[in-house]
This record gives sequence, structure tokens and C-alpha cells, in this order.
Amino acid sequence: GAGVSQTPSNKVTEKGKYVELRCDPISGHTALYWYRQSLGQGPEFLIYFQGTGAADDSGLPNDRFFAVRPEGSVSTLKIQRTERGDSAVYLCASSFTGTSAPREQFFGPGTRLTVL
Amino acid sequence: GQQLNQSPQSMFIQEGEDVSMNCTSSSIFNTWLWYKQEPGEGPVLLIALYKAGELTSNGRLTAQFGITRKDSFLNISASIPSDVGIYFCAGQNKGAQKLVFGQGTRLTINP
Repeated sequence: GAGVSQTPSNKVTEKGKYVELRCDPISGHTALYWYRQSLGQGPEFLIYFQGTGAADDSGLPNDRFFAVRPEGSVSTLKIQRTERGDSAVYLCASSFTGTSAPREQFFGPGTRLTVL
Repeated sequence: GQQLNQSPQSMFIQEGEDVSMNCTSSSIFNTWLWYKQEPGEGPVLLIALYKAGELTSNGRLTAQFGITRKDSFLNISASIPSDVGIYFCAGQNKGAQKLVFGQGTRLTINP
């Protein structure tokens, strides 16, 4: 597809379970971002990948959250021992990178995670 | 961390009216952006601002990058029903990739 895609669109899990959220960026985009959006709030940055490596993971709230991008394309956000407070919409974005601005971030539709 | 204060939180207007919303920060940003989000979708970029004092238009939308680099505003002229949605400001620091978002302004248009 032409845009960023995220799967699943909705995920309901029980407290304490493990979940994986997937992001397929726009083809050719080397930068990939994860944000978390709680109800009634703006998106909050979690982690940024440049290629396969995490260039900035300063937004990950704790060590239960981990993300990978092994081949520099698809990324998976992994949440261990989920808590009710993890319930939110998880947004993925991608962009070109280069020496010149701008580098617009294109967002996917998000995965709505509900932890019961 | 850096925070953006966006106001108003919500607006209820009549079709055809002009809209104005703003965003302030406790610290400087090098880039200001305005996004629109509709239900079930991710934010979509409307306007990007790269220089203090810059005034940029995109159709009926106009945004300005404040001189102090700590604020920005977005105006929508002659609102139409498809303008309904949540508008977010976002700031970006020089050399950083992450965006810092405001809390959003929910725009509702009464027919």
C-alpha cells in the first residue's frame, strides 16, 4: 500500500499478557517512529529508528516496552506484562532521511490496545 | 520534559466562521508543525514552519511561527463541515527527530 500500515487495528488483552504490535512503513522510508496516544491527549514519542538501529529510545516508559526493526523496514513494538495503564492507541510513523529538511512524518492509523 | 499548551481545548462554531487556535511552549523549538486527526486515523500534516516569524498558508489555513520560537498559531478561514476534527500543534528541536505534541483542539461545526 501507499501509506503506513499497522496491525492489528484493535487488540484486547488481559493484564499481565504479552503483546506485539506491527508497523509497515512507507516503502523507501528509512526512519520509523512509535508514538502512544492516550484518550484525549496528543501523541507521545516512544522510540525512533534510523535503519535497523534505535537512534532514540528516550520515550519508552519502562523496560516492559521494547521495539525492533531487524531488517530496516517492518517494526514490532513489544509490551511485556501489560498493565491497564498501557491502554492507548499506538501510532507508527515513517519518513525519509537525508541531510536537508523537511522530513515529514507520515502516520499510520494506529493500533488501539485495550488491557482488561 | 518539554510541554506544549494548546488552546482552546474545544471549539463549537457555525459553518463559515473563522477559527483561531494557538500553542505555547516553555522552551524554544526550531520547527513548528500543525496536524489534523480524524477518528480512527493517524495525524496528517497540514503546515510546517521552519523559521521564527514565518507565516505560511495552505488553502484556507494559515499558520505562524512566533518570533520568540515559543509559540505558534493556526487560523482557518470560512470553515466548512470537513474541517471537523482534532488539531494538534507539534514542536521539533534542531537535530532531533521526535515530535512533541500539544493536547489538541477539538473543532466542531454546527450546521
